[in-house]
Amino acid sequence: DAGVIQSPRHEVTEMGQEVTLRCKPISGHNSLFWYRQTMMRGLELLIYFNNNVPIDDSGMPEDRFSAKMPNASFSTLKIQPSEPRDSAVYFCASSLDRVDQPQHFGDGTRLSIL
Amino acid sequence: GQNIDQPTEMTATEGAIVQINCTYQTSGFNGLFWYQQHAGEAPTFLSYNVLDGLEEKGRFSSFLSRSKGYSYLLLKELQMKDSASYLCAVTLYGQNFVFGPGTRLSVLP
Repeated sequence: DAGVIQSPRHEVTEMGQEVTLRCKPISGHNSLFWYRQTMMRGLELLIYFNNNVPIDDSGMPEDRFSAKMPNASFSTLKIQPSEPRDSAVYFCASSLDRVDQPQHFGDGTRLSIL
Repeated sequence: GQNIDQPTEMTATEGAIVQINCTYQTSGFNGLFWYQQHAGEAPTFLSYNVLDGLEEKGRFSSFLSRSKGYSYLLLKELQMKDSASYLCAVTLYGQNFVFGPGTRLSVLP
């Protein structure tokens, strides 16, 4: 079975550019999570969706970040405009339904903003 | 607020046993996850404890004490491939959860 698929794997772009990260959850999973991971701050939950509806977006840093889940098989995380401090690894994860079920993580997108 | 503590780093020798602790102060505790994350890779699920006690899965065991706000992950017969970060995550009533800062374990020959 295919796991969580993220694209791109790596992104290098200049400050001020728009960045779009993509995620395809495991088929049949109803919950989807976006995380950011840095050495300094560890793994931070940005937002999570259940049945395509945002449940908790309190971790979204600021208005420059937005996330959408237009259908059960696709989600995007957008940063506009990007800044060097946004450089991090961004993970997408999915679980069957609730937060008390194991999350399956994608391989992550390593984002570098110059 | 919610607070989860883990030691930042630990070192152990191949073949030994190591215990990685996780303490938490949260409201509405439901259960506790352990994840393993190798450097440059994604976290992977290890265990989930809801009830007090020890759950064993091969070389890895996880323990929970709800009254003490405490959990640990026990790794036996350590192997070099166990060098990784170990993250605990607390799930709360109301469909919320919080990850701990993680413990980086180095296994030496």
